[in-house]
Amino acid sequence: DTGVSQDPRHKITKRGQNVTFRCDPISEHNRLYWYRQTLGQGPEFLTYFQNEAQLEKSRLLSDRFSAERPKGSFSTLEIQRTEQGDSAMYLCASSAAVFFGQAYEQYFGPGTRLTVT
Amino acid sequence: EDQVTQSPEALRLQEGESSSLNCSYTVSGLRGLFWYRQDPGKGPEFLFTLYSAGEEKEKERLKATLTKKESFLHITAPKPEDSATYLCAVKGYGGATNKLIFGTGTLLAVQP
Repeated sequence: DTGVSQDPRHKITKRGQNVTFRCDPISEHNRLYWYRQTLGQGPEFLTYFQNEAQLEKSRLLSDRFSAERPKGSFSTLEIQRTEQGDSAMYLCASSAAVFFGQAYEQYFGPGTRLTVT
Repeated sequence: EDQVTQSPEALRLQEGESSSLNCSYTVSGLRGLFWYRQDPGKGPEFLFTLYSAGEEKEKERLKATLTKKESFLHITAPKPEDSATYLCAVKGYGGATNKLIFGTGTLLAVQP
């Protein structure tokens, strides 16, 4: 197992274009998360999947953002009609299920750096 | 609302000079407090999970402790390779959330 992987690592796009990012979680993890991180800030939660079900979405996730996890394995995050404010590092994380109310740690991928020009 | 505050924002140490990073939190029932290390341009790397006050975890030169209101990351005799941003995050029981709430991090620079 090589950990969480993300593709691409870097993406430069022009304002108004659509972009799609992919995340492959650790194979035995059924929970998958997307976060966004801007310079000097900690990661901010975007959305969460348990298996193929999207169970939680942040108010940060406008209607231009959509995420899927079709077979409960890899996930994609699509941003439509990109804006300069979307420039950030997009991080994917995965974790095992919660055990007796305790929270298992989330393991992060290397991130996709998006630059909107 | 769950909240995490880290201090200091930046810390510069000489190699071998021990110090502590602080993470103060407000959460509606703590399910877990997490420390991560993040190198520039990379994703956060998991270090420790703490669940209850009084708990301590150690790894090499790092030791994390937890009280009911804050956590400390103690760095003993740091080396230049310990230079990174250290992030603290909490997960609470409020609502149905499964998200981590992160602080803004402490940027640590260890000079040889």
